[in-house]
Amino acid sequence: DAGITQSPRYKITETGRQVTLMCHQTWSHSYMFWYRQDLGHGLRLIYYSAAADITDKGEVPDGYVVSRSKTENFPLTLESATRSQTSVYFCASSPGQGLVGGELFFGEGSRLTVL
Amino acid sequence: AQSVTQLDSHVSVSEGTPVLLRCNYSSSYSPSLFWYVQHPNKGLQLLLKYTSAATLVKGINGFEAEFKKSETSFHLTKPSAHMSDAAEYFCVVSTPSGGSYIPTFGRGTSLIVHP
Repeated sequence: DAGITQSPRYKITETGRQVTLMCHQTWSHSYMFWYRQDLGHGLRLIYYSAAADITDKGEVPDGYVVSRSKTENFPLTLESATRSQTSVYFCASSPGQGLVGGELFFGEGSRLTVL
Repeated sequence: AQSVTQLDSHVSVSEGTPVLLRCNYSSSYSPSLFWYVQHPNKGLQLLLKYTSAATLVKGINGFEAEFKKSETSFHLTKPSAHMSDAAEYFCVVSTPSGGSYIPTFGRGTSLIVHP
């Protein structure tokens, strides 16, 4: 089915462990984004990508790493998880002609708990 | 720089009464503006968008919003609330940054609908 999927949907890990959240979209959208959602903060941009092999930092990039070797995949890695990274993470994509008038298409979210 | 302020963290209405969710933005350029809705444990869905065409924008499920440049506002309204409208609503502003348009989210307004 066409769409944007995130995995895992739920993850519990321990402080210091590496965690990778996966994001896959089937529309061939150029732009992809990672947001975190925390109570009282809305959605904050972690990283975004304008195309394969092009990534850039958002508002809260520290402690996260991204890559985009293929247009359809945009994994987010927490190299050494901390409790402050407990959050709900949303991946989104947007059409290749840019965000002007463009809609963001969101995945269902990945709920990460760091103990 | 751009920012968006949602003036109410919670709005409570009775079913059948009007809904008003307030959003003010700040942007150095002509912005694109969006409203998204998030139902519990779900991803975000686009309600409507403004991209420098008509200032009164109609969206899904009977929602609409009016872009007022002089007031830097983009308030979301609906004439008659339904129980299914209970959700979190996000106002989003998007302006150019290095050739791309990077969206910034407000902190969200929780709409509560009473029977």
